[in-house]
Amino acid sequence: GAVVSQHPSWVICKSGTSVKIECRSLDFQATTMFWYRQFPKQSLMLMATSNEGSKATYEQGVEKDKFLINHASLTLSTLTVTSAHPEDSSFYICSVRPGERNTEAFFGQGTRLTVV
Amino acid sequence: DAKTTQPPSMDCAEGRAANLPCNHSTISGNEYVYWYRQIHSQGPQYIIHGLKNNETNEMASLIITEDRKSSTLILPHATLRDTAVYYCIVRANNAGNMLTFGGGTRLMVKP
Repeated sequence: GAVVSQHPSWVICKSGTSVKIECRSLDFQATTMFWYRQFPKQSLMLMATSNEGSKATYEQGVEKDKFLINHASLTLSTLTVTSAHPEDSSFYICSVRPGERNTEAFFGQGTRLTVV
Repeated sequence: DAKTTQPPSMDCAEGRAANLPCNHSTISGNEYVYWYRQIHSQGPQYIIHGLKNNETNEMASLIITEDRKSSTLILPHATLRDTAVYYCIVRANNAGNMLTFGGGTRLMVKP
């Protein structure tokens, strides 16, 4: 299956600072990537759809100015959590789909963000 | 995408078959049934998917009822490493569609 690499796997930051999370598709080009967030003991919730060369599409309730998404190339999407607060502490996961119909999605290993 | 219903948790003895059910009574004709699992603190892992025929791969078997309103994921010989949350998802055959995760089933494989 496709390889999706997320970096970092974990990060601790101070409240008010910004954190950038990278998602790389290592063996195919991805015009679309998806960013999910998962709070403890909860399921994955879609935050936004990252589109190469255009603006991301955010789900209802997700602040686009707080969660900045950049998809500047076909193999890299970044999620920047700006002015992080403790309530942003969560597990952030990216996903890609190779682009053909009916194929499975592949996920990064996730990034655990802790804001102190 | 159609909604799915799964039991919140199940136990299975190591070495035995684990049968995980999923109800998707509102599934439409162009929606596939996908199964993923998430081991603690990792990203989800694809297991298997199908439309209406039963499917088998090296990880599991997928049995879909004739009316497609429910399915069962079978892990033939569960190991401790199969302990995870298993998600059943139905998705239309549109490459742009994201996956919508429900609560899943927390499978605990016990020695």
